[in-house]
Amino acid sequence: GESVGLHLPTLSVQEGDNSIINCAYSNSASDYFIWYKQESGKGPQFIIDIRSNMDKRQGQRVTVLLNKTVKHLSLQIAATQPGDSAVYFCADVRMDSSYKLIFGSGTRLLVRP
Amino acid sequence: NAGVTQTPKFRILKIGQSMTLQCTQDMNHNYMYWYRQDPGMGLKLIYYSVGAGITDKGEVPNGYNVSRSTTEDFPLRLELAAPSQTSVYFCASSQGTGSSYEQYFGPGTRLTVT
Repeated sequence: GESVGLHLPTLSVQEGDNSIINCAYSNSASDYFIWYKQESGKGPQFIIDIRSNMDKRQGQRVTVLLNKTVKHLSLQIAATQPGDSAVYFCADVRMDSSYKLIFGSGTRLLVRP
Repeated sequence: NAGVTQTPKFRILKIGQSMTLQCTQDMNHNYMYWYRQDPGMGLKLIYYSVGAGITDKGEVPNGYNVSRSTTEDFPLRLELAAPSQTSVYFCASSQGTGSSYEQYFGPGTRLTVT
């Protein structure tokens, strides 16, 4: 079935370094993606989104890259901070009447001091 | 705005018991969703609603029911609790249209069925 998946379950980075979290999707018709951050014991929190007509989108310290040819997107976090430690999910928004999210299994980001 | 609120935060049920998980949003969003999250996994859609009076099944609806009598509220009902329903449940809402399809999530309800 269609899925959104992640390459690495855990990513450990040094504080101050850049982090790159990857995500692959299988539905070639996917049109809209969202990255969420989930801290322990909390609900997912929106980070950034990107439409399929874009290759790159930047936010505050974050950049999302979309490669439709290989059905892959990545989240880059610049100058990673301890507060960035969390689980990160990419989600595919189904652009039917539901606008439901199809989530991947998540990548845990650990920031070493 | 409080955003999306969920009650209770924690609950332990015995097998066969029933309960209702409450969800309320104050953003006047038409779209509401219930997800469950098993340990170390992503979220899976249980049910969703595109407006008051309209509900539809998601990926894992078995064992659950929902209703949407108002825009604000979207309760999730478990009729005969089973250990397989041990999970964290998240409610979310969104505008569903416009420039962003972001879903706003509540803090979750952690349910244990023993």
